[in-house]
Amino acid sequence: GAVVSQHPSRVICKSGTSVKIECRSLDFQATTMFWYRQFPKQSLMLMATSNEGSKATYEQGVEKDKFLINHASLTLSTLTVTSAHPEDSSFYICSARTPQGDNQPQHFGDGTRLSIL
Amino acid sequence: AQKVTQAQTEISVVEKEDVTLDCVYETRDTTYYLFWYKQPPSGELVFLIRRNSFDEQNEISGRYSWNFQKSTSSFNFTITASQVVDSAVYFCALSEGLIQGAQKLVFGQGTRLTINP
Repeated sequence: GAVVSQHPSRVICKSGTSVKIECRSLDFQATTMFWYRQFPKQSLMLMATSNEGSKATYEQGVEKDKFLINHASLTLSTLTVTSAHPEDSSFYICSARTPQGDNQPQHFGDGTRLSIL
Repeated sequence: AQKVTQAQTEISVVEKEDVTLDCVYETRDTTYYLFWYKQPPSGELVFLIRRNSFDEQNEISGRYSWNFQKSTSSFNFTITASQVVDSAVYFCALSEGLIQGAQKLVFGQGTRLTINP
């Protein structure tokens, strides 16, 4: 079945560092990918919708200059957390929707646990 | 705006008991999808079921069953003869529209289910 790969699975870094997270669709082309954030013991909140070849659509309250999204190909979207601070520590998870129509659910990556010291 | 409510924050039962997880949703759209996902401690999201708003037929898959009632805007999930491996956080989610591009997922707060041996 369809698989979405997310890398890295865990990142620990110092405050001020920029961190890039990759989301790849392994056996299908994904024109649309989604980035979610999940704080401990909380729900998943959509951050942005990543569209191949165009600018990402950000949800209200999400800083586009802070969370840079690039969807340069049909199989790869990247989320860069720029100048990360401890409050950015969270679980980031991506998903991809297959383009064959609405019969396929979103396929989720395994998530990236980001810890900023 | 759409909203998903999972009123049960945590549930703890003894193995082999049946357990029902509640989900109530709000949407102004007449066409939408409802989902259930399982999130084990490792963090990945496991897709369990998708239902569209035109299909109120209940579904059974092994020990899992789902009851969709549009009249009460509910999409409840029952695990029969629970097992320790069922321990996880379960999320109910909603996406509006059945056309491509309308696939943003709105998640409930999640229900942490603990099955004790």
